[in-house]
Amino acid sequence: GAGVSQSPRYKVAKRGQDVALRCDPISGHVSLFWYQQALGQGPEFLTYFQNEAQLDKSGLPSDRFFAERPEGSVSTLKIQRTQQEDSAVYLCASSPEWGVSYEQYFGPGTRLTVT
Amino acid sequence: DAKTTQPPSMDCAEGRAANLPCNHSTISGNEYVYWYRQIHSQGPQYIIHGLKNNETNEMASLIITEDRKSSTLILPHATLRDTAVYYCIVYNQGGKLIFGQGTELSVKP
Repeated sequence: GAGVSQSPRYKVAKRGQDVALRCDPISGHVSLFWYQQALGQGPEFLTYFQNEAQLDKSGLPSDRFFAERPEGSVSTLKIQRTQQEDSAVYLCASSPEWGVSYEQYFGPGTRLTVT
Repeated sequence: DAKTTQPPSMDCAEGRAANLPCNHSTISGNEYVYWYRQIHSQGPQYIIHGLKNNETNEMASLIITEDRKSSTLILPHATLRDTAVYYCIVYNQGGKLIFGQGTELSVKP
């Protein structure tokens, strides 16, 4: 079946621009996660949804970062007034959870470059 | 969440077994050991997980010591496509994964 998809795959933004990154999870997966991966580092957690509820946003680095999942399916990560330090790969993952399976299935990521 | 310690890099000859160690001395009783790998320019991929028993699937085997303070991921016949960064994560099932630096495995012909 289809895996997690993310769009766009690559995004170049000028400093100060707003960007929106989209994640389409695996159909039926309850949980959705966003991670940020800087070059040469492991992924770092940003935020987590269970259906449409945002249960943990402790990893969002500033109030310029905002995520939503209004219908419990597709999610959007928005970054306002982008800065150079926001340049990274943004990974989305989904998971069935609820006692079925806790493995997280990752998308290919969106590489954001802020110039 | 417990932290893990892995060697930064390892080499393995193609066709041989790759044994990737992980120390997790502060793991608590309800935490599982999960392994993911990340091939260059791709998202992480789940490999295997276990609580205290050894586990095997079509990708790999996971050996967990009796005291649960360390584990080894075994790729029985490594191929060039197994070249990746391998992450060992202790996980309380549900919620965020905490990735460390992982082990960069290079499989050489």
